Amino acid sequence: EAGVTQFPSHSVIEKGQTVTLRCDPISGHDNLYWYRRVMGKEIKFLLHFVKESKQDESGMPNNRFLAERTGGTYSTLKVQPAELEDSGVYFCASSQELGGETQYFGPGTRLLVL
Amino acid sequence: GNSVTQMEGPVTLSEEAFLTINCTYTATGYPSLFWYVQYPGEGLQLLLKATKADDKGSNKGFEATYRKETTSFHLEKGSVQVSDSAVYFCALSDRLNFNKFYFGSGTKLNVKP
Repeated sequence: EAGVTQFPSHSVIEKGQTVTLRCDPISGHDNLYWYRRVMGKEIKFLLHFVKESKQDESGMPNNRFLAERTGGTYSTLKVQPAELEDSGVYFCASSQELGGETQYFGPGTRLLVL
Repeated sequence: GNSVTQMEGPVTLSEEAFLTINCTYTATGYPSLFWYVQYPGEGLQLLLKATKADDKGSNKGFEATYRKETTSFHLEKGSVQVSDSAVYFCALSDRLNFNKFYFGSGTKLNVKP
């Protein structure tokens, strides 16, 4: 069974540009989470989808971040326009339906905004 | 609220040394507790977990016991190997909020031969 995949693995962009990150969860997992680790600090929650619906987006930093989950399958996280402080590693995780506590993480996308 | 505090690294040990990485937490409700590991160039992998007080999670020689009285979940291994060099993250799952995770800041472990 394929694990959680993320694309791209690395992205280097200039301030003001737009970047879109993609996450493909494990097939059949209803829950999809986005997290971010900035500058070696703790990994912080961004948002949570249940199927195609946003369950909790309390961790999204501001309205420059937009997440979608088309048809309850893959998800995208778009940053527009990117700022320097958006640099970090963005992780995606998925878990089974309610009761599936263990989250399975992707390898992360390392974003550097110059 | 929910938070996780773990010891700062890096931690440098010689091969076959005993490892302890401290983790304490604050939580509303009764969370599950996890240790994840990130090897160089890879993503986060579940190392072990415990779902209730006094449970012991174990895997690959690592152990951690869910201590409610001290709100701790310290990671231990009796004899580390060079291949254990990685970053270790302690986390809790907020069962009251769709299992949203709260992580510690990570502890980098370097094991020297």
